[in-house]
Amino acid sequence: GQQVMQIPQYQHVQEGEDFTTYCNSSTTLSNIQWYKQRPGGHPVFLIQLVKSGEVKKQKRLTFQFGEAKKNSSLHITATQTTDVGTYFCAGPDRGSTLGRLYFGRGTQLTVWP
Amino acid sequence: DSGVTQTPKHLITATGQRVTLRCSPRSGDLSVYWYQQSLDQGLQFLIQYYNGEERAKGNILERFSAQQFPDLHSELNLSSLELGDSALYFCASSTRLAGSTDTQYFGPGTRLTVL
Repeated sequence: GQQVMQIPQYQHVQEGEDFTTYCNSSTTLSNIQWYKQRPGGHPVFLIQLVKSGEVKKQKRLTFQFGEAKKNSSLHITATQTTDVGTYFCAGPDRGSTLGRLYFGRGTQLTVWP
Repeated sequence: DSGVTQTPKHLITATGQRVTLRCSPRSGDLSVYWYQQSLDQGLQFLIQYYNGEERAKGNILERFSAQQFPDLHSELNLSSLELGDSALYFCASSTRLAGSTDTQYFGPGTRLTVL
């Protein structure tokens, strides 16, 4: 079945260091979405990438969608304590109109002050 | 605030019991999704409803069932509860059936503790 794999599972960084999480799909994706879940909170939509090779930026966050549309990455420059949380990537059900998303396991980011 | 509401926020019950979790989607959203998140686990998709009909099933146990009502709110029923069912249960909603560009809006979750 369709799978979305995400690494690393955990990442601990010093405030000011950079952080990257990687997402790989077993199938080509029509789009990929990223969500952030703060500790004790619920997942919140961050961004969606649709085009092959697409790069989008949100302040210190840079999102990339691979040329083959099977992988994606989220890079945070100069992390801050407010970046703490778990970052999930998610891809839609291939060839389906059901609306279901396949979520990666998530990368839990800890930022030491 | 995502616009998705879930009740109750916390639920503590005993093994063998049955509970019902409730979700109201964002205004205008027709799809409702249920997820289970255990400690340090990712989001496990349980089931999806669209406009009252079941559309997709994930790793949902036979002891669990769900439905979506005409007013679009949804309920997740968990029966014969076991200790391992303790988890956060999230509901999410999205606007259209076609999922290729939809995003999901998550509710605050219900934390279920089975003692």
